[in-house]
Amino acid sequence: GNSVTQMEGPVTLSEEAFLTINCTYTATGYPSLFWYVQYPGEGLQLLLKATKADDKGSNKGFEATYRKETTSFHLEKGSVQVSDSAVYFCALRRYGGATNKLIFGTGTLLAVQP
Amino acid sequence: IAGITQAPTSQILAAGRRMTLRCTQDMRHNAMYWYRQDLGLGLRLIHYSNTAGTTGKGEVPDGYSVSRANTDDFPLTLASAVPSQTSVYFCASSDSYTDTQYFGPGTRLTVL
Repeated sequence: GNSVTQMEGPVTLSEEAFLTINCTYTATGYPSLFWYVQYPGEGLQLLLKATKADDKGSNKGFEATYRKETTSFHLEKGSVQVSDSAVYFCALRRYGGATNKLIFGTGTLLAVQP
Repeated sequence: IAGITQAPTSQILAAGRRMTLRCTQDMRHNAMYWYRQDLGLGLRLIHYSNTAGTTGKGEVPDGYSVSRANTDDFPLTLASAVPSQTSVYFCASSDSYTDTQYFGPGTRLTVL
């Protein structure tokens, strides 16, 4: 079946440190891949997405590249800020599914300290 | 534009009681979804609706029902709440022809 595995948190970093949150997936066909972010007390917001192999999604200094050969979509940011503290969710949507529903990973809490 | 609104923001409910969580969107999206968020499990799909008048079951539909009488509203009902339904519930919507789902702010439900 389709599934998403992401690294467990919490991830604690100092401001301006480099961030990587790993995400791997299992899916038939060619899924679209997403990173969503959930700030404290809020709902989820789309951070970035990629719809085919080798695509790079980017937004707010975050990047992730769709790697079909390693079935991965790791999230990176070169220099994190305190305001990036949030829970990050990796998700996939399998193309051609019966409905436009997302399959989420368990989420990774990022805490950035000043 | 408000996007997606959910009500109530939070609720404490006695076991066995009936509860309806409300969700309204003003983006004229065809598809709507209900997820529950539990620590260590991420978000899991409860029910979905691809268009007004149709609904479908997600991963964890037992104990929940939905209706989609019009495009804007997608209420989620717990007919007889149980403590295992304590969770944060998120409503989402998407245009049928794009992947992006937009989420509401959530409802925190506690069943005692």
